[in-house]
Amino acid sequence: QPVLTQSSSASASLGSSVKLTCTLSSGHSSFIIAWHQQQPGEAPRYLMKLEGSGSYNKGSGVPDRFSGSSSGADRYLTISNLQSEDEADYYCETWDSNTRVFGGGTKLTVL
Amino acid sequence: EVQLVESGGGLVQPGGSLRLSCAASGFTFSNFVMHWVRQAPGKGLEYVSAIDSNEYTTYYANSVKGRFTISRDNSKNTLYLQMDSLRAEDMGVYYCARVLGGSGSDYWGQGTLVTVSS
Repeated sequence: QPVLTQSSSASASLGSSVKLTCTLSSGHSSFIIAWHQQQPGEAPRYLMKLEGSGSYNKGSGVPDRFSGSSSGADRYLTISNLQSEDEADYYCETWDSNTRVFGGGTKLTVL
Repeated sequence: EVQLVESGGGLVQPGGSLRLSCAASGFTFSNFVMHWVRQAPGKGLEYVSAIDSNEYTTYYANSVKGRFTISRDNSKNTLYLQMDSLRAEDMGVYYCARVLGGSGSDYWGQGTLVTVSS
């Protein structure tokens, strides 16, 4: 089954941009993933679906500041013009015919 | 508006049982795969179990196989998770989520807390 690897933490300044990475395990580099945001004390929120081609489709109400891109087995979430409310945990998710898998999550701190 | 509302969490002793429910509204429930995801205190998201829209095909994480049973009642727009032989490591917030085919878990409930302690 696929495995997703994320850095445990990231930080960036208010108003700047940050690029978070989710890496698919060997043999799974073509897999589609989803990105989710979990603000403190809240349930996860779906941000987008991201394909290996770099094409992405965002969920309802997700701000334009959020975008996705891909390179090989890496899937990226870029947040531009960082706001204080973007401070959250970010998880990637993928799936195959029998299971679904989440990355360990990246805790984003907005300085 | 899509809504998923979990209930049934609480305090249970090790070895005990709980049944979680997830009431769905705002979409045609019978058309979607549904699943349960849990989050231990201070930890990340962990897939628990999924069920196809047909009510019959089910999937389980190895950590819960043989102890948990997922089911759904499409006539009641409700998803269930029967949890037996509960262990301390089962403790956490349990979320139900809708699966949008090929796109991941596109809607999540607010979660219900399960505490396993004597």
